[in-house]
Amino acid sequence: GESVGLHLPTLSVQEGDNSIINCAYSNSASDYFIWYKQESGKGPQFIIDIRSNMDKRQGQRVTVLLNKTVKHLSLQIAATQPGDSAVYFCAESMKTSYDKVIFGPGTSLSVIP
Amino acid sequence: KAGVTQTPRYLIKTRGQQVTLSCSPISGHRSVSWYQQTPGQGLQFLFEYFSETQRNKGNFPGRFSGRQFSNSRSEMNVSTLELGDSALYLCASSLDINYGYTFGSGTRLTVV
Repeated sequence: GESVGLHLPTLSVQEGDNSIINCAYSNSASDYFIWYKQESGKGPQFIIDIRSNMDKRQGQRVTVLLNKTVKHLSLQIAATQPGDSAVYFCAESMKTSYDKVIFGPGTSLSVIP
Repeated sequence: KAGVTQTPRYLIKTRGQQVTLSCSPISGHRSVSWYQQTPGQGLQFLFEYFSETQRNKGNFPGRFSGRQFSNSRSEMNVSTLELGDSALYLCASSLDINYGYTFGSGTRLTVV
């Protein structure tokens, strides 16, 4: 199957601090990017998305930044809360096959109360 | 509004057997995708169906197959199970491409 990477990076942050989760995507032809959050025992949950004609998009407490030059995506979470503890996945897809979403390896975020 | 429902939640099968997993998408969603999630390989795309047609397929062997019914419900089948097929199988639905996918909680398959 197609996938990116085998190891799960981890990030620990203090409650109330801002979190930044980074992702390097694989395909320069990708033009749609999504961040998902997955809690233990649950399926991935959509957080925010961004298309390649944008470089920044904001949601509630979350911001996604896209740098197409270096194929880099980041998710910023403001005022991180214990409920934000989860594995975060970036995902990419192309205009020619939006139905085929390729996921990154994920980053485990642990919030310290 | 009900979410994506996957059944069964847990399943234990023996090597060589076959298994069928079921997915009921959100009402009105016509696109259904299947993913395999393992600790070693992460989330991998299996296939996607829209209006009973498979539109895209990942790099999995032919033992993995699926179908979609006229009510958009989908099933995936794995034949001749191998130990390495043990994984969390996730189903996701969407209105169509260009829309974000909503995932179910998955079926945890263990092959012994």
